[in-house]
Amino acid sequence: GAVVSQHPSRVICKSGTSVKIECRSLDFQATTMFWYRQFPKQSLMLMATSNEGSKATYEQGVEKDKFLINHASLTLSTLTVTSAHPEDSSFYICSAGRTGGVKNIQYFGAGTRLSVL
Amino acid sequence: DQQVKQNSPSLSVQEGRISILNCDYTNSMFDYFLWYKKYPAEGPTFLISISSIKDKNEDGRFTVFLNKSAKHLSLHIVPSQPGDSAVYFCAASETGTASKLTFGTGTRLQVTL
Repeated sequence: GAVVSQHPSRVICKSGTSVKIECRSLDFQATTMFWYRQFPKQSLMLMATSNEGSKATYEQGVEKDKFLINHASLTLSTLTVTSAHPEDSSFYICSAGRTGGVKNIQYFGAGTRLSVL
Repeated sequence: DQQVKQNSPSLSVQEGRISILNCDYTNSMFDYFLWYKKYPAEGPTFLISISSIKDKNEDGRFTVFLNKSAKHLSLHIVPSQPGDSAVYFCAASETGTASKLTFGTGTRLQVTL
């Protein structure tokens, strides 16, 4: 149990386009989902916390108009990178906390490698 | 400001021996610690955790030790197996922060035959 699916696994896009990444909890409900970004040889940096039915909470320095997050249901959160630029190229990964589950344990998707040309 | 640090980027251990992965933290408000394991092209997988009210937690071949006064935790794997070869991330959280995790930079463990 506790499977998180993230799609797509890899995307290459032109500068100026928008890219949507989906994160789904397949076998459990997730009131809270998290979006991370990882640069090479660095740790996972939390970008935002996504709460079902309410606005996401963004970490300091993360542009909310640049990285749009929608958590429309208990099993789906989406991250849209708007007007992507080469500096947005990175590895994006989502996680979900199991509603009613053990505190603080997050289950991760496989990540999305974004390359902006 | 890296609040969770894993100072060893890589570690090589022979099969059957003990692997010890270390993690240091600076935020004294952290009260829950987790270890995640990551294979290439996959997301991190939860391995084991420990609350700050304990100093040791054991699950099969995996044991996590917490030294609060030193702000240090370690993951022991014994005996190490080739399938344990992966990147291991240490993570920490504090009560009241909606389960937000702060991750270390990871340690790549290679278990050799």
